[in-house]
Amino acid sequence: GAGVSQSPSNKVTEKGKDVELRCDPISGHTALYWYRQSLGQGLEFLIYFQGNSAPDKSGLPSDRFSAERTGGSVSTLTIQRTQQEDSAVYLCASSFRGASNNEQFFGPGTRLTVL
Amino acid sequence: DAKTTQPPSMDCAEGRAANLPCNHSTISGNEYVYWYRQIHSQGPQYIIHGLKNNETNEMASLIITEDRKSSTLILPHATLRDTAVYYCMGPNAGGTSYGKLTFGQGTILTVHP
Repeated sequence: GAGVSQSPSNKVTEKGKDVELRCDPISGHTALYWYRQSLGQGLEFLIYFQGNSAPDKSGLPSDRFSAERTGGSVSTLTIQRTQQEDSAVYLCASSFRGASNNEQFFGPGTRLTVL
Repeated sequence: DAKTTQPPSMDCAEGRAANLPCNHSTISGNEYVYWYRQIHSQGPQYIIHGLKNNETNEMASLIITEDRKSSTLILPHATLRDTAVYYCMGPNAGGTSYGKLTFGQGTILTVHP
């Protein structure tokens, strides 16, 4: 079946612009996670959705970052007034249910470059 | 959450077993050990996970010590396609029950002909 998809695959934007990143999880997966990975760094948790609710937003770096999920499916991560330090690969993952013993399936990521 | 320590890099000859170690001395009793890998320019890929018992699947075997302070991922017959960064972690970061993952630097495994 289809895996997790993300769009766009690459996004180049100018400092100060807003960007939207999209994630389509695997059908039927109730849990959705956003992470980011900066060059040469490990994975940084951003936000977790269970259904359309986000019980954990603790990883969002600032109030310029927001995310929503609709219909228990597609999620959008929005970054307002982008800064150069926002440049990273943004990864989305989904799992059947949010549990510590459920594997997460990752999308290919969106590479964001802020000039 | 369990802080993990892995060697930064390892080499392995094609066809031989690759044994990747991980120390997770602060792991809690109900925290699973997970292994993922990331091939260049792709999203992380799940490999295997375990709690106390050793586990095996079509990709790899996971050996967890009795005190659960360390584990070893074994790729029994490494191929060139197994060249990747391998991450060991516990997903119960911050005591959550929903599997928030935290990757460290991982081990760069290079499989050579």
